[in-house]
Amino acid sequence: GAVVSQHPSWVICKSGTSVKIECRSLDFQATTMFWYRQFPKQSLMLMATSNEGSKATYEQGVEKDKFLINHASLTLSTLTVTSAHPEDSSFYICSAGVQSANYGYTFGSGTRLTVV
Amino acid sequence: AQSVTQLGSHVSVSEGALVLLRCNYSSSVPPYLFWYVQYPNQGLQLLLKYTSAATLVKGINGFEAEFKKSETSFHLTKPSAHMSDAAEYFCAVSSNQAGTALIFGKGTTLSVSS
Repeated sequence: GAVVSQHPSWVICKSGTSVKIECRSLDFQATTMFWYRQFPKQSLMLMATSNEGSKATYEQGVEKDKFLINHASLTLSTLTVTSAHPEDSSFYICSAGVQSANYGYTFGSGTRLTVV
Repeated sequence: AQSVTQLGSHVSVSEGALVLLRCNYSSSVPPYLFWYVQYPNQGLQLLLKYTSAATLVKGINGFEAEFKKSETSFHLTKPSAHMSDAAEYFCAVSSNQAGTALIFGKGTTLSVSS
């Protein structure tokens, strides 16, 4: 149980275009979704926390107008990278907290974004 | 605020040797602690977690970790390394409050030689 499906797994886009990444919770309701970014050979950096039906909370230094997060339902959260540039190329991962007796977090499989 | 520090960005061991990956945490509230493994170009796989139950936590693939409050540590160990253990390992911390994110350490690359 507690599976998060993330799509696409990889995407190549041209500079200036926008890319949308989707994370769906398949068998549970994700009230909160976390979005991370990982540069090559580096750790996962928390970008933002999204709560269903409300605005996302962004970490310091993350441009909210560039990384648009929508969490319109309990099973879907999206991250849109707007006007992408090569420096936005990274690995993006979503995660949902699982509030149960077996407390933990479940992660999507990640999206490799390459901007050319 | 919470944080974790992983000591040693790169650890090299021989196959069959003890694996020890170090993690120290900082937290103003009782922490929940996690170890994840990541293989190249893949997502994260949970190895084990501490959520205030037993201080010695056993995980998958023969890994275990011990929560030591007095030392603010949660080191990961495995008695005998396999070649397949070569990967990136991340220690992470959160609180037990709903809606709080995992905060990751910088990671440790484990290399295993034959």
